[in-house]
Order: sequence, then structure tokens, then C-alpha cells
Amino acid sequence: GEDVEQSLFLSVREGDSSVINCTYTDSSSTYLYWYKQEPGAGLQLLTYIFSNMDMKQDQRLTVLLNKKDKHLSLRIADTQTGDSAIYFCAARGGTYKYIFGTGTRLKVLA
Amino acid sequence: KAGVTQTPRYLIKTRGQQVTLSCSPISGHRSVSWYQQTPGQGLQFLFEYFSETQRNKGNFPGRFSGRQFSNSRSEMNVSTLELGDSALYLCASSPGLAVNNEQFFGPGTRLTVL
Repeated sequence: GEDVEQSLFLSVREGDSSVINCTYTDSSSTYLYWYKQEPGAGLQLLTYIFSNMDMKQDQRLTVLLNKKDKHLSLRIADTQTGDSAIYFCAARGGTYKYIFGTGTRLKVLA
Repeated sequence: KAGVTQTPRYLIKTRGQQVTLSCSPISGHRSVSWYQQTPGQGLQFLFEYFSETQRNKGNFPGRFSGRQFSNSRSEMNVSTLELGDSALYLCASSPGLAVNNEQFFGPGTRLTVL
């Protein structure tokens, strides 16, 4: 079935780059998304990439897509303490349903 | 433009009871989706409504139901509550069903079942 997997935790030092990885199974996934969730809040859309793109950059965020391996990554440059949150990867494709990963908890150490 | 609002924000119920959660989408948005978020299972899709019709459904038992009104507001109902239904229930709205439509999430309703 459709599945999206992420590692559960990532810890980085302030100022370093963070790379959060995600793999998905549905080859018909057309759009892939990254969301951020801060404590006590809903999800905030950070960025998304269409499946015919390899890379998308948006300020400190870079999304890389390897469609052959069904692998998506989110790179956050110059990570700040305010970036500490849970990051969700999501895929949407033929069924139009959003399939979310379990989320990666990013902890930024000062 | 106001964001997605969900009421109530917190709810405590006991096993066997039923509960109704409400979601008001962003003005002009016609699609509303519901998700259940738990620490163990992550974010699980419940259902999606568009123009008062359920368009998509996740793998949840029939105790979970929803509806959408003509003003696009949506409610979800859980009957015969179980301990495992304790979760954060998130609502998301989008302009329509197109695959490139962005979803905007509300803050969620935290349901605790005792």
C-alpha cells in the first residue's frame, strides 16, 4: 500500500545544515510536501515539489527529489533554534489522498 | 484572511461516549480533510469532503463519520469512544480537489478518552 517513511529524530548544532530524509512507496505520487509542526500547533506547509522536478530552493530550504529511488530530502541551511519542530513529509498522487510520514523531530542545539 | 478554525480545542470524554468536532475552513475553500495524529501512528488520513460529499476515505472504522455543510464547514463524529481514540484531530482546508491545491491546517482538537 501507500507508505511514507522518515527517521524519527535529528539533532544538529545551531548554524549547521539539517537534512531530513523521507522515502515513499507510491510511484504515482505527483506532489511531495514538507510540513512543519511546532508544539501545540497544526501543520504549516513549508514547501512542495512537483514530481517532474529534481530540486527546489526556497531561501534556506532546499528540497531534493530522487524519483527513481522514491527519496525526498529537505535541507535547512544555517539551522536556528526556531527551526526546532517536527517535520512531516507527505505524498499525494493518484488517489488524491495525502499520505504523511510519522514525522522527524528536529532538535537544534545552541 | 482568517485561518482554519477548529472547536473545541480540548475535549475530555469517557469510553462509550460520542463526540462531535467542528472545523471552519478558510473563506472560499471548498475542500475539508480530517486527520488523526497520535505519537505512535503519526498523521492518519480520515476523510475528505468537497461540496458536501465525501470524496476520499481512510482506513478507519465506521465509528468515525463526518459531514460537510453548504457553507463548507465540516464536522466529524466519533461514536462509542475507545481509549485508543485519544489523539489530536486536525482539519485542513484547500480551495478544491486539484492535486496542486495546498492544504492549510487548523490548530487541532485534542481529544482525551478516559
